[in-house]
Amino acid sequence: AQRVTQPEKLLSVFKGAPVELKCNYSYSGSPELFWYVQYSRQRLQLLLRHISRESIKGFTADLNKGETSFHLKKPFAQEEDSAMYYCALSSGGYNKLIFGAGTRLAVHP
Amino acid sequence: DAGVIQSPRHEVTEMGQEVTLRCKPISGHNSLFWYRQTMMRGLELLIYFNNNVPIDDSGMPEDRFSAKMPNASFSTLKIQPSEPRDSAVYFCASSRTGVDYGYTFGSGTRLTVV
Repeated sequence: AQRVTQPEKLLSVFKGAPVELKCNYSYSGSPELFWYVQYSRQRLQLLLRHISRESIKGFTADLNKGETSFHLKKPFAQEEDSAMYYCALSSGGYNKLIFGAGTRLAVHP
Repeated sequence: DAGVIQSPRHEVTEMGQEVTLRCKPISGHNSLFWYRQTMMRGLELLIYFNNNVPIDDSGMPEDRFSAKMPNASFSTLKIQPSEPRDSAVYFCASSRTGVDYGYTFGSGTRLTVV
């Protein structure tokens, strides 16, 4: 079964601290994985995708097929990073995305 | 392009009433998705269309929910009759199959059923 698991509902850190938001997936094929971010009462926005191997707003994520993980990391958290973060898995030929339950990141001053 | 446009932004209705949510996808995108977001369940995929054809509606919670896509530029999600447990934020998203796997989401419709 295709599934995305984000084990933490809330991650609370202080400004300047490193951040790691965990994401594990279950998928029989070759996965396409994404991170989406939702700032307070705004639409979801694509943050990054594993295929691009890019860094956006200081965030990076590496696909680890052995551990079936796609954790999101940032070395120094900023207050403006406070948001809801969703990990997503592309499933099938129609770009269907399966989302995890989301992790709320709270960065305190 | 103005992005994915949803209307209304907010809807408050009484239990038992019919509710219609609207979505205009990005021009040129041929896949459209309806999601429901709640605190308890996160983002749930309700239904998605490809080239205006419904592909999978297994996420639609009950027969009270229905969705249509009469043309490439418009889709509706209807709830009839509405119930308080339908209160949620409903998002529409669109993408272009095979070109860019990322979605573009609309701003959502916050539905409150009292």
